Amino acid sequence: EADIYQTPRYLVIGTGKKITLECSQTMGHDKMYWYQQDPGMELHLIHYSYGVNSTEKGDLSSESTVSRIRTEHFPLTLESARPSHTSQYLCASSGGGTNEKLFFGSGTQLSVL
Amino acid sequence: QKEVEQNSGPLSVPEGAIASLNCTYSDRGSQSFFWYRQYSGKSPELIMFIYSNGDKEDGRFTAQLNKASQYVSLLIRDSQPSDSATYLCAASWGSNYKLTFGKGTLLTVNP
Repeated sequence: EADIYQTPRYLVIGTGKKITLECSQTMGHDKMYWYQQDPGMELHLIHYSYGVNSTEKGDLSSESTVSRIRTEHFPLTLESARPSHTSQYLCASSGGGTNEKLFFGSGTQLSVL
Repeated sequence: QKEVEQNSGPLSVPEGAIASLNCTYSDRGSQSFFWYRQYSGKSPELIMFIYSNGDKEDGRFTAQLNKASQYVSLLIRDSQPSDSATYLCAASWGSNYKLTFGKGTLLTVNP
């Protein structure tokens, strides 16, 4: 079944650790996105990619980085996590055409102590 | 700065009533509009999209778009307790494929 997967679902780590949030999709979509969402707040786009080897920063500045080496895989990395990075991170993808619909993964809830 | 604004809520309706959710956007260049439903602790789920002026119906849901007024709404008929969630309005501009989301409106349907 075509889907978009995020791991881990929950992550609690200490300050200064390097982390990678995984996102993979089996829908054959070219475009992938990372959104950040705090409780009760709107989603903010932090990174996006329109294809392999294409990555761009989103509207909200983020210290995280992303890579897109394979179409189906779009991991997000934080080199040195801080408490201010505590948030929910949502990965999404969309298919072809100009009127795109986003499909979201289940999210990763990150807590940095 | 492209913005999407939603009525702040929370909105509470009795079971069986019509729930009306509203959204305005700042840029007349907006082309596509989406409504997502997000249950607490879950990720957003697409429930409706609309590109042209007028109404679009899908089951109990009707999306309405008025580009002249820069206004999009979502009507939920025969509201059910399972409709209780936060509803997010989103818009995209041109061919950049990026969505801007509103803050969402929390809907509670009381049995």
